[in-house]
Amino acid sequence: EDQVTQSPEALRLQEGESSSLNCSYTVSGLRGLFWYRQDPGKGPEFLFTLYSAGEEKEKERLKATLTKKESFLHITAPKPEDSATYLCAVQVGSWGKLQFGAGTQVVVTP
Amino acid sequence: SQTIHQWPATLVQPVGSPLSLECTVEGTSNPNLYWYRQAAGRGLQLLFYSVGIGQISSEVPQNLSASRPQDRQFILSSKKLLLSDSGFYLCAWSGDGNTEAFFGQGTRLTVV
Repeated sequence: EDQVTQSPEALRLQEGESSSLNCSYTVSGLRGLFWYRQDPGKGPEFLFTLYSAGEEKEKERLKATLTKKESFLHITAPKPEDSATYLCAVQVGSWGKLQFGAGTQVVVTP
Repeated sequence: SQTIHQWPATLVQPVGSPLSLECTVEGTSNPNLYWYRQAAGRGLQLLFYSVGIGQISSEVPQNLSASRPQDRQFILSSKKLLLSDSGFYLCAWSGDGNTEAFFGQGTRLTVV
């Protein structure tokens, strides 16, 4: 059965304190791994797509990497505006269906 | 550019009442459309997806149904709401192939 597990559940960082979020997955035939950012009461905002092991994507202070079993979202020198829940998802089957992890809630304090 | 509209933003409905949530997409043709539900502190669960007009697939048995009357319109419905239907409902669209999904702003449904 396809599974996506994110850790930690919550992360509290000081501004400027870099850290990494983990997304481990078990899926038969990865067709894409996706990272989203979700603010309270809002829909998820797309960040990155990764398709194959060794691939990396960057956007401002965020960098996503992918191995055969897991993905990491690195947050470098975070700012308070990076506070959000970060969701990881894998595409399962056809038609773009996504299976999501439970998310990591990140709080960055000044 | 593509945009997705979802309404209403919040809804409070009594148990046993009907439900209709609407989602429309602009700026693209023949999108794949999805309804997800997010329970508090949990990940998103796929409820329905559609690859074309009138084509609906259900992922989990439940008290809800979906319809796609037009290419870029997706509707989530219920004839009689249950307390357990409360949650945050999200509509999303994607293009063909292995592409990312883009989400609407969601509807917070509270069944009382």
